[in-house]
Amino acid sequence: EPEVTQTPSHQVTQMGQEVILRCVPISNHLYFYWYRQILGQKVEFLVSFYNNEISEKSEIFDDQFSVERPDGSNFTLKIRSTKLEDSAMYFCASSEGSGGAWTQYFGPGTRLLVL
Amino acid sequence: KQEVTQIPAALSVPEGENLVLNCSFTDSAIYNLQWFRQDPGKGLTSLLLIQSSQREQTSGRLNASLDKSSGRSTLYIAASQPGDSATYLCAVEGGSYIPTFGRGTSLIVHP
Repeated sequence: EPEVTQTPSHQVTQMGQEVILRCVPISNHLYFYWYRQILGQKVEFLVSFYNNEISEKSEIFDDQFSVERPDGSNFTLKIRSTKLEDSAMYFCASSEGSGGAWTQYFGPGTRLLVL
Repeated sequence: KQEVTQIPAALSVPEGENLVLNCSFTDSAIYNLQWFRQDPGKGLTSLLLIQSSQREQTSGRLNASLDKSSGRSTLYIAASQPGDSATYLCAVEGGSYIPTFGRGTSLIVHP
């Protein structure tokens, strides 16, 4: 069964460093998403992406964050200058369509630790 | 702003019991509601998606209902098994197709 994959599974970085989290969505999906989950907290929406553009973004997704689909398969989340509070599990998801009947399929996540 | 609440926060039951997990949301203008399962340190697995025009969905031992007007959904798990132990998340998708998640119900089913 097709699945969303994410790399790396774990990332440790120093505060102020840039990190890039990578995702390979399911191949025939058109909508891509990033979420984060701080330890013990709710899953929070960050951004949705369709047709090479950001569709929606939350208040969390500020200028320090960016997303890109550099080729036909990868979808990346970049954090330019990491802060301690960026430590969280980051999930990528994809879906065939948006809203209504379309299920989002989640990857296993990247656990980011900022020291 | 949409708020999603899940009750109970934690549940521990013996194997074989039938369970009801509750989810409530404050804004009834939703497109869908989805129930997910999350295993420790892992991603989310979609269990059931109920569109706003539907009242329930079933998959195996799972049944989810939706009462949009009252802002409630329940996930019913029949004949629980130790393998059902996980955190169950409810998420509603409203305007702009942005999902809002609850904190989840942590379920332990012991043999």
